[in-house]
Amino acid sequence: GAVVSQHPSWVICKSGTSVKIECRSLDFQATTMFWYRQFPKQSLMLMATSNEGSKATYEQGVEKDKFLINHASLTLSTLTVTSAHPEDSSFYICSARMAARNQPQHFGDGTRLSIL
Amino acid sequence: QKEVEQDPGPLSVPEGAIVSLNCTYSNSAFQYFMWYRQYSRKGPELLMYTYSSGNKEDGRFTAQVDKSSKYISLFIRDSQPSDSATYLCAMISDYKLSFGAGTTVTVRA
Repeated sequence: GAVVSQHPSWVICKSGTSVKIECRSLDFQATTMFWYRQFPKQSLMLMATSNEGSKATYEQGVEKDKFLINHASLTLSTLTVTSAHPEDSSFYICSARMAARNQPQHFGDGTRLSIL
Repeated sequence: QKEVEQDPGPLSVPEGAIVSLNCTYSNSAFQYFMWYRQYSRKGPELLMYTYSSGNKEDGRFTAQVDKSSKYISLFIRDSQPSDSATYLCAMISDYKLSFGAGTTVTVRA
């Protein structure tokens, strides 16, 4: 149980384009979803937290106009990297959590984003 | 000082050995403790979730929590090459998840 699916797993695109990443909880309702960024050989860095039906809360230093998050249902959240540039290249990982806030997060398999 | 300290390793052990991993923390408000396994280019996978001091066992994995010493451990018995991965400890306080840096483990065949 507690499966989170993330798509696409790898995307390469030209500088200036926008990229959308989907995160779905397959077998549970995710009241809260999280988006992380991970650099090579480093731990996960939380970018934003989103609750279903409300605006995302962004961590300090994360540009909300650059990283648009939508959490329209209890099973789907999307991250759109707008006008992507090479410095946005990274490994992006989503996670989902059930209603109780002391429950663990379950992670997707990540999206490797490469901007040329 | 980081809230959660974890030695990044790397740690290399022969197949069949016991792998011992640990984290220390400074915030006594941490109440829930997890261990995740992350393979290269994959998302973290939840291995263990505990909320009380003591031991919790699941197959070859044993998680240990000592709240008085602010110390948690993960033991992997009879380690296999497929256990080669990065292991992250994580803790929840005020409903926020904090990660350790992760320890990279290699089990040699």
